[in-house]
Amino acid sequence: GAVVSQHPSWVICKSGTSVKIECRSLDFQATTMFWYRQFPKQSLMLMATSNEGSKATYEQGVEKDKFLINHASLTLSTLTVTSAHPEDSSFYICSARVGADRGNSPLHFGNGTRLTVT
Amino acid sequence: QKEVEQDPGPLSVPEGAIVSLNCTYSNSAFQYFMWYRQYSRKGPELLMYTYSSGNKEDGRFTAQVDKSSKYISLFIRDSQPSDSATYLCAMSGRSQGNLIFGKGTKLSVKP
Repeated sequence: GAVVSQHPSWVICKSGTSVKIECRSLDFQATTMFWYRQFPKQSLMLMATSNEGSKATYEQGVEKDKFLINHASLTLSTLTVTSAHPEDSSFYICSARVGADRGNSPLHFGNGTRLTVT
Repeated sequence: QKEVEQDPGPLSVPEGAIVSLNCTYSNSAFQYFMWYRQYSRKGPELLMYTYSSGNKEDGRFTAQVDKSSKYISLFIRDSQPSDSATYLCAMSGRSQGNLIFGKGTKLSVKP
């Protein structure tokens, strides 16, 4: 099946620093990738849609200057949390679809990155 | 009213029991329905994927969709301790790129 690889799986950083998370589609090309955030005992909340070769689309309430997304190739999207604060501590998960970006194909998820900001 | 409602549980059952997990939704445009399983500190893993109303069976898992009632279910037969995880329902419309998730139901299967 489709594999989405995410790295790192966990990271601890100091407040004010930046952290980059990578998301790769290993056996398929993904023109669109999705970044989700999940707080404890909460559902996945879509943060932004990453589009290859163009700007990401951010959900309402998500600061685009704080969560920088780059989708430079058909197999790689990165999320950079800039000037991280303790409230940014969360579980970040990327996902991608095989095939056309429509509702008629399911999303495949990476294993997530647990970010802890001290 | 939230778009997708799912009882967070926790739900605890003995090994071998039949488990029923459910979600309700409000958006009649949803056409694609999925169930994901998420183990602790891992990303969601796709379990079942259905289109429109009807049933779909895969091994011990059966997914049901009732669009008229805006209600979906996942049944797990002969539940095993390894089934202990959080189960998330998710859905989308035909032209919708992202999924809308339920909060997830935490299931514990006791040996």
